[in-house]
Amino acid sequence: EVQLVESGGGLVQPGRSLRLSCTASGFTFGDYAMSWVRQSPGKGLEWVGFIRSKGYGGTTEYAASVRGRFTISRDDSKSIGYLQMNSLKTEDTAIYYCTRHKGGGYDSELCYWGQGTLVTVSS
Amino acid sequence: DIQMTQSPSSLSASVGDRVTITCRASQSISSYLNWYQQKPGKAPNLLIYAASSLQSGVPSRFSGSGSRTDFTLTISNLQPEDFAIYYCQQSYSAPLTFGGGTKVEI
Repeated sequence: EVQLVESGGGLVQPGRSLRLSCTASGFTFGDYAMSWVRQSPGKGLEWVGFIRSKGYGGTTEYAASVRGRFTISRDDSKSIGYLQMNSLKTEDTAIYYCTRHKGGGYDSELCYWGQGTLVTVSS
Repeated sequence: DIQMTQSPSSLSASVGDRVTITCRASQSISSYLNWYQQKPGKAPNLLIYAASSLQSGVPSRFSGSGSRTDFTLTISNLQPEDFAIYYCQQSYSAPLTFGGGTKVEI
């Protein structure tokens, strides 16, 4: 059974950093692209960024709203994906979902979703 | 960036109804269009991928159609468990983008 479990969320002050983890199981983690998607309270879904599988270059892409502040990485040996969030703003407050694509590139659907982890940015 | 526009933003329906939700892309995305269902307090769930392919385990009353810029999600014979928010999403090019969502209410 495919499982994605996010961790690392919590309350953080504006300007500080936080790292989210996504622990995967039930599939060969390194074969698939991973995206992070967030949802602000009561709002819609916003794609944050993704990382391709190593077979597709392992490169990343980001939404304009987080580019330069957020970094996505992966440790295929541990089946864990990461979202490093720096210079956090109040508008980054959201539930952050880890998702798995159907294939190694981004041009495929988000087949699996974690349960999400809440990040609250507030002083 | 490709903008995804869903309509309506909400609709009221009854059990047994046929419901249609539309999604329009600001430029051609071929068939790189996916649909998700989200229930309160839960993560979204993939329903339809590549515009018209039904995800495994999803009831056949859900169907998708369209290509290039105009897409539809149809729910035939609406069931109580179908009351939720539905999102379209394009996977044609980065940044990946979602529609604003359609809330299906009783």
